[in-house]
Amino acid sequence: AQTVTQSQPEMSVQEAETVTLSCTYDTSESDYYLFWYKQPPSRQMILVIRQEAYKQQNATENRFSVNFQKAAKSFSLKISDSQLGDAAMYFCAYRSEGAGNMLTFGGGTRLMVKP
Amino acid sequence: GAGVSQSPRYKVTKRGQDVALRCDPISGHVSLYWYRQALGQGPEFLTYFNYEAQQDKSGLPNDRFSAERPEGSISTLTIQRTEQRDSAMYRCASTPGGPSYEQYFGPGTRLTVT
Repeated sequence: AQTVTQSQPEMSVQEAETVTLSCTYDTSESDYYLFWYKQPPSRQMILVIRQEAYKQQNATENRFSVNFQKAAKSFSLKISDSQLGDAAMYFCAYRSEGAGNMLTFGGGTRLMVKP
Repeated sequence: GAGVSQSPRYKVTKRGQDVALRCDPISGHVSLYWYRQALGQGPEFLTYFNYEAQQDKSGLPNDRFSAERPEGSISTLTIQRTEQRDSAMYRCASTPGGPSYEQYFGPGTRLTVT
């Protein structure tokens, strides 16, 4: 079974600065997908960014980018030019290429943004 | 278009009562997933369907939990004889099918068992 670990329960960043959230995972599979979801106080689940394991290039979405290290099974999220609206819980998630395709989530990191 | 909807959004029930939580996926979506999220934790998989067929129920905690999707669209998650430990946010997500598609999450049902 796959496991996803987020070792930082809480992180804090100054507005306009850059912050990196860490995620590691354990799998024996070679093909899979990785995701970062944002959960604001409304508790909606919002997809921030996704990465296919077969792609060597790191995904980027505007101010959000990832550092995907397949051999190290590491998938960190970098938020540049942090904004007050970025304050939320962030969840890292894994999804297999094979049957089922359910998401396995980490425990989350609470990001606080200071004005 | 309409997203995934869930009802009720909030449910308070007394211990021992049965509850039914409804999920209405995006029209045409093949796969439907149920997750449970305890406060301060990440969501955990419960079960999923392709069309009307329940493909995997390995995440259901015990036999008090069941789910159905009889016509391949709306799904109901039923919890019998609720216990306080069942209190959580219950979320469903739908996807067109296949691992490359994003899972679209509903707003969740917050269940409180008193």
